[in-house]
Amino acid sequence: QVQLVESGGGLVKPGGSLRLSCAVSGFTFSNYYMSWIRQAPGKGLEWVSHISASGSTILYADSVKGRFTISRDNAKNSLYLQMNSLRAEDTAVYYCARGTAATGVFDYWGQGTLVTVSS
Amino acid sequence: DIQMTQSPSTLSASVGDRVTITCRASQNINSWLAWYQQKPGKAPNLLIYKASTLHSGVPSRFSGSGSGTEFTLTISSLQPDDFAIYYCQHYDFYSPWTFGQGTKVEIK
Repeated sequence: QVQLVESGGGLVKPGGSLRLSCAVSGFTFSNYYMSWIRQAPGKGLEWVSHISASGSTILYADSVKGRFTISRDNAKNSLYLQMNSLRAEDTAVYYCARGTAATGVFDYWGQGTLVTVSS
Repeated sequence: DIQMTQSPSTLSASVGDRVTITCRASQNINSWLAWYQQKPGKAPNLLIYKASTLHSGVPSRFSGSGSGTEFTLTISSLQPDDFAIYYCQHYDFYSPWTFGQGTKVEIK
């Protein structure tokens, strides 16, 4: 069955860095675009970044542009999010999500990993 | 960016009730709209995409309608498993994808 498992979250000081990973199984990873979506505690959902199946197209939300970098390794069935210059407002549960044939729609999500930015 | 506004923010209803949630986009998004359900401590689940297409495995009591800037999610007969938060999301490719603020469906 389709599984997405995030890891790498934790407590980091403002200005620090963190790298999130998403290990997938149960489908042909290289055929699907992927996204990171986050949810601040008690708040709604915010799309963060998108990467196409081949990695050739990458998009970012304005709130993270220039600080976060999305990447993927299709040989390792893994998605990554490198987060630099972290701010308190980046505190959230970060989900990786699989895109459907309709770009921008997400049919499978991981369980999420919590990132807390605090001194 | 396109803003998505849901109403109401909270909805109190009973099992068996017909429930309708509205989502408005700040500009025309044609039918590029999805709906998700989220339960506490869990990831969201896709319910509907392209405004009215039911995702595989989603019960037929869920339906979506609308186009342009106004959309609705309807649950024809609310079941105990449906008490959750519902989010709309636009996926117009020419604008960052954004979600509505969510509508909590709670037990009356």
